[in-house]
Amino acid sequence: EAGVAQSPRYKIIEKRQSVAFWCNPISGHATLYWYQQILGQGPKLLIQFQNNGVVDDSQLPKDRFSAERLKGVDSTLKIQPAKLEDSAVYLCASRPGLGTEAFFGQGTRLTVV
Amino acid sequence: SQQGEEDPQALSIQEGENATMNCSYKTSINNLQWYRQNSGRGLVHLILIRSNEREKHSGRLRVTLDTSKKSSSLLITASRAADTASYFCATDMDSNYQLIWGAGTKLIIKP
Repeated sequence: EAGVAQSPRYKIIEKRQSVAFWCNPISGHATLYWYQQILGQGPKLLIQFQNNGVVDDSQLPKDRFSAERLKGVDSTLKIQPAKLEDSAVYLCASRPGLGTEAFFGQGTRLTVV
Repeated sequence: SQQGEEDPQALSIQEGENATMNCSYKTSINNLQWYRQNSGRGLVHLILIRSNEREKHSGRLRVTLDTSKKSSSLLITASRAADTASYFCATDMDSNYQLIWGAGTKLIIKP
């Protein structure tokens, strides 16, 4: 079974530029999460999808961040414009259902300079 | 929002010793999960314990859950250098598919 795929693995951009991350969850997993993880901290939920609907985006900075889940499968997370404080690892995870474990991708390490 | 809090924040032990990490949470849960994260990589699921379970084992891992105290512990026995990583607990409240994460315990195993 293929795992959660994320790309790119690394990205360096200048502040005020835009960037997009892509995630392909495990086939059949209805729940998809995007997390932001700053060095030394736990994952912070940005947005949670159930199929192609948003369940929770309360911590997503909507003035600069956007996310979509195409046809309930792949998902993209965009930042526009980026700020220095957006430097972090962006993790995508998926789950098959309630009460199950989450499967994570390798993450995208974003550096904003 | 952060619900789980791991304790200690960092732990350094000699190879072969046992390592114990604790997690406290605030609200009722369906299950609690422990994950490991090696430097620069994604999180890997270790073990899931349901609210009606008190103890669970998986290889060198032992997890306990005390719902009356809203706390869990992860014990790694006979530690190895490869166990060096950050360990996170995540609580699953089941009502909205959300996992709530703690800040993690950084474990260093000295050879």
